[in-house]
Amino acid sequence: AQKVTQAQTEISVVEKEDVTLDCVYETRDTTYYLFWYKQPPSGELVFLIRRNSFDEQNEISGRYSWNFQKSTSSFNFTITASQVVDSAVYFCALSETQGGSEKLVFGKGTKLTVNP
Amino acid sequence: EPEVTQTPSHQVTQMGQEVILRCVPISNHLYFYWYRQILGQKVEFLVSFYNNEISEKSEIFDDQFSVERPDGSNFTLKIRSTKLEDSAMYFCASRMDRVYEQYFGPGTRLTVT
Repeated sequence: AQKVTQAQTEISVVEKEDVTLDCVYETRDTTYYLFWYKQPPSGELVFLIRRNSFDEQNEISGRYSWNFQKSTSSFNFTITASQVVDSAVYFCALSETQGGSEKLVFGKGTKLTVNP
Repeated sequence: EPEVTQTPSHQVTQMGQEVILRCVPISNHLYFYWYRQILGQKVEFLVSFYNNEISEKSEIFDDQFSVERPDGSNFTLKIRSTKLEDSAMYFCASRMDRVYEQYFGPGTRLTVT
């Protein structure tokens, strides 16, 4: 069965600090997709990134970077030089290709507060 | 940039009443989903819909729930007889064929009193 664990419930940092959000997943599929979504206080879910299970390259997008390690079933997300606007709940999610619908299974989320 | 829209943004209803939540997915998307998020909790999958039929549903999606794509643009979630525990934020999402990220609407907050 699919499972996503985000062990950090809440993180609080001061602006300009770097912060890493952890995500560990479980799946029996050999082909799957991993995602990060951001939920700001306004409540919408904003797609940030997708990684395929067969592509372990790390990715950087501006201040955001993602570290995918299949050996440890982890897909961690780092924000460099955090800003107050980064304050949100961040969800890691997994989608398997078996079963046909590719539904998303979400972790419980990590609430990030960036203080000025 | 195209986006998923949902109406209403907030719906208050009495226990036992029927509600219909409406979504307009992104126009060239083929896969549609409903999720819900009880306040402060994680986002949970309800149902997926493709080619005018349900492709998968969760245990939450019991006989009280139904989905429909009544025309080429709308995608609806109906709850026949609402319960207090149905109070949650309901998100609609859609995606393209062979592209696996799902794009979410802003959500409908359902409050059952």
